[in-house]
Amino acid sequence: DADVTQTPRNRITKTGKRIMLECSQTKGHDRMYWYRQDPGLGLRLIYYSFDVKDINKGEISDGYSVSRQAQAKFSLSLESAIPNQTALYFCATSDQGGPDTQYFGPGTRLTVL
Amino acid sequence: QKEVEQNSGPLSVPEGAIASLNCTYSDRGSQSFFWYRQYSGKSPELIMSIYSNGDKEDGRFTAQLNKASQYVSLLIRDSQPSDSATYLCAVALSGSARQLTFGSGTQLTVLP
Repeated sequence: DADVTQTPRNRITKTGKRIMLECSQTKGHDRMYWYRQDPGLGLRLIYYSFDVKDINKGEISDGYSVSRQAQAKFSLSLESAIPNQTALYFCATSDQGGPDTQYFGPGTRLTVL
Repeated sequence: QKEVEQNSGPLSVPEGAIASLNCTYSDRGSQSFFWYRQYSGKSPELIMSIYSNGDKEDGRFTAQLNKASQYVSLLIRDSQPSDSATYLCAVALSGSARQLTFGSGTQLTVLP
């Protein structure tokens, strides 16, 4: 089984809809991250969480919110989706006590029409 | 100036050649450096990490770090068509609570 899983893998939605992307991990890592990737722009950090009670905004948090339901679960919500949120979304984890290496989930391709 | 910069490419090399990928960063206090490989439509996969000046070798891959010049590079020896991918440089900037900042990636194509 994959260490970091994301659901759904693909989603098409309409402008104004609320969308939730979910991430689960079995690596036992404390830290979890949400990124979006757009062509030519690399990975940009949306939110990150160092534990269940510690959630922080990243570079591009506007229009997004997150919930850390448990050490192993970190969800990203788009409250009212807009077309420029069409992107590939990745969840990642890292170990607080280890190196800064991050491990990525398979990604969610989101299309907002 | 972007914090982590890479040549976007595309970079093409013939099979069996050495591919050289470069990355510069703006923060002198950065301590941790990573190279990820990303196939089209897939997630980034860690291939190398480096923390000290000099070279670090792992199979056909060599990462080189020069903190004084603020660059990190990745050499791929005996390049294979399966190495064709986008390579992302990532840096843990100082004071960033160990977040990683990614470059925009270099697209590499290895021609058979």
